Amino acid sequence: GAGVSQTPSNKVTEKGKYVELRCDPISGHTALYWYRQSLGQGPEFLIYFQGTGAADDSGLPNDRFFAVRPEGSVSTLKIQRTERGDSAVYLCASSPRQGLRNEQFFGPGTRLTVL
Amino acid sequence: AQSVTQLDSHVSVSEGTPVLLRCNYSSSYSPSLFWYVQHPNKGLQLLLKYTSAATLVKGINGFEAEFKKSETSFHLTKPSAHMSDAAEYFCVVSDSSGDKLTFGTGTRLAVRP
Repeated sequence: GAGVSQTPSNKVTEKGKYVELRCDPISGHTALYWYRQSLGQGPEFLIYFQGTGAADDSGLPNDRFFAVRPEGSVSTLKIQRTERGDSAVYLCASSPRQGLRNEQFFGPGTRLTVL
Repeated sequence: AQSVTQLDSHVSVSEGTPVLLRCNYSSSYSPSLFWYVQHPNKGLQLLLKYTSAATLVKGINGFEAEFKKSETSFHLTKPSAHMSDAAEYFCVVSDSSGDKLTFGTGTRLAVRP
């Protein structure tokens, strides 16, 4: 079956621009997670959704970052006024439901480059 | 708060020899621990997980890890390395809910022919 997909796979933008990154979770998965992986580092948690609501957004670095999941399936991570430090690979994961017993399945990521 | 420390950023082994990737954790509660693997241009894949059941955990592709509370360690091992094992490996701890994963900085495993 289809795994988690993310689009675009690569995004190059200029400092100050707005970007949207899309995540399509595995069908039927109710939990969805966003992580950010900077060069040479492990992924860092940003936010997770259970259904349509953000259950924990404590990892969002500042108010330029926002994520939505209006219908409980596809999610969009939005970054306003991008900065060079936002350059990273943004990873999405989904899980059948939240909690310890449920594996998070990761997508291939979107590589964001801010010039 | 929870954290993990991966003690080696790079490990190189010969094909057919044992693999040891080291990880120490810190947690204020009984932790859940994971190992993920990341092959180039592919998504992260779960190798194995420990969630307070058996301390020796067996995963996919012949990998296993042992949870040692006294040493706060969760080292990953494999008896015999294969060329296809070359990848980046991440030790991971979750928060008490199991939803927020904290990753280590990764260990890049190289396998020499």
